[in-house]
Amino acid sequence: EAGVAQSPRYKIIEKRQSVAFWCNPISGHATLYWYQQILGQGPKLLIQFQNNGVVDDSQLPKDRFSAERLKGVDSTLKIQPAKLEDSAVYLCASSFGPSGRGANVLTFGAGSRLTVL
Amino acid sequence: AQSVSQHNHHVILSEAASLELGCNYSYGGTVNLFWYVQYPGQHLQLLLKYFSGDPLVKGIKGFEAEFIKSKFSFNLRKPSVQWSDTAEYFCAVLVGSYIPTFGRGTSLIVHP
Repeated sequence: EAGVAQSPRYKIIEKRQSVAFWCNPISGHATLYWYQQILGQGPKLLIQFQNNGVVDDSQLPKDRFSAERLKGVDSTLKIQPAKLEDSAVYLCASSFGPSGRGANVLTFGAGSRLTVL
Repeated sequence: AQSVSQHNHHVILSEAASLELGCNYSYGGTVNLFWYVQYPGQHLQLLLKYFSGDPLVKGIKGFEAEFIKSKFSFNLRKPSVQWSDTAEYFCAVLVGSYIPTFGRGTSLIVHP
């Protein structure tokens, strides 16, 4: 089966610029997650979608970050304006959800590495 | 909210040495537990998981982990590591329908 696709793999921008990341989950996976992984730390959840609805976005800095999952498939994460501390790898993951043993097993994409100068 | 602690941030071993990576979590109820691994240049991928039943779970590549409820621990073990086990290892905990929470990771370097 095809994995979780993410693009771009690398992005370098200056602070105050904007950036968008795209994710295509595994076919049939209802749940989609965006995680932020800063160097030397574990992944931190930004937002979770169940189909096209938001389940949890409590750790998403909503003044600058936004995400959407139109039609319950692909998702886009946007940062505007970017700050230096946003430099990180942005990971997209998906799972079957909402129930069953496979529901909680995440499949990750390769990540999008953002550098803010 | 649940939290996950991985106390070993960097581990360096020689091939054939035994490995144990610690993972402790903060929630006292029913939990789902995971170890994920990220090999250099690759995606994060599932190593093993515990949902219920036998507290000793076996994963890929000879890894195993033991769930000890009384100690709130889910330590990862391998009796004899190989150079190819060099990677970043992440413990994750899921409580109820909440989001999987990850530890900060342990970087393992295995010298040939």
